[in-house]
Amino acid sequence: QKEVEQNSGPLSVPEGAIASLNCTYSDRGSQSFFWYRQYSGKSPELIMFIYSNGDKEDGRFTAQLNKASQYVSLLIRDSQPSDSATYLCAVNPPGGFKTIFGAGTRLFVKA
Amino acid sequence: NAGVMQNPRHLVRRRGQEARLRCSPMKGHSHVYWYRQLPEEGLKFMVYLQKENIIDESGMPKERFSAEFPKEGPSILRIQQVVRGDSAAYFCASSARGQLAGNEQFFGPGTRLTVL
Repeated sequence: QKEVEQNSGPLSVPEGAIASLNCTYSDRGSQSFFWYRQYSGKSPELIMFIYSNGDKEDGRFTAQLNKASQYVSLLIRDSQPSDSATYLCAVNPPGGFKTIFGAGTRLFVKA
Repeated sequence: NAGVMQNPRHLVRRRGQEARLRCSPMKGHSHVYWYRQLPEEGLKFMVYLQKENIIDESGMPKERFSAEFPKEGPSILRIQQVVRGDSAAYFCASSARGQLAGNEQFFGPGTRLTVL
């Protein structure tokens, strides 16, 4: 089982719709969770981080964390073509100092 | 805007040569991470360093790869005797705090290494 799993996609949504990106992690004791956006040929850019169960909103982005289900998601409201990118979920497992990244979900927003 | 800086942006080496990648963290950041990304794949953790200390190198290959973050100057990722399989994008990230305090990481532009 991979430590951090994401659906590779591509996920295709029409402009203005809600895009829902999902991530599961294997280590129950994980504490910190991050979402990064990566455009093709570019470096990852931090979008959101969440440490507590529940929802965290920032503009059009909402991160949701459910530690009991070992599940973290990212919702993008009013999706724009400029949101088309690969979204990386990242997790800090306990007992170490490294951050584990999922393979990413490609999102395509159709104009 | 003093973001994370990496150089060179592109590096071409022949098999058997050495590759030296540099990373200057954001101002005020003392935690540095190195990742490798192969085409169409996710980021793979390599090493986590603080000034003058390697904290976690569990993702580093045991041979040919080394990293340092000296008291003065940038962090260096060194690959000796490169092979074609080392061709990848190498990203450096920095954070103001360590993992236990919530380590939001900010990435540099990466170094694209090509081994001929």
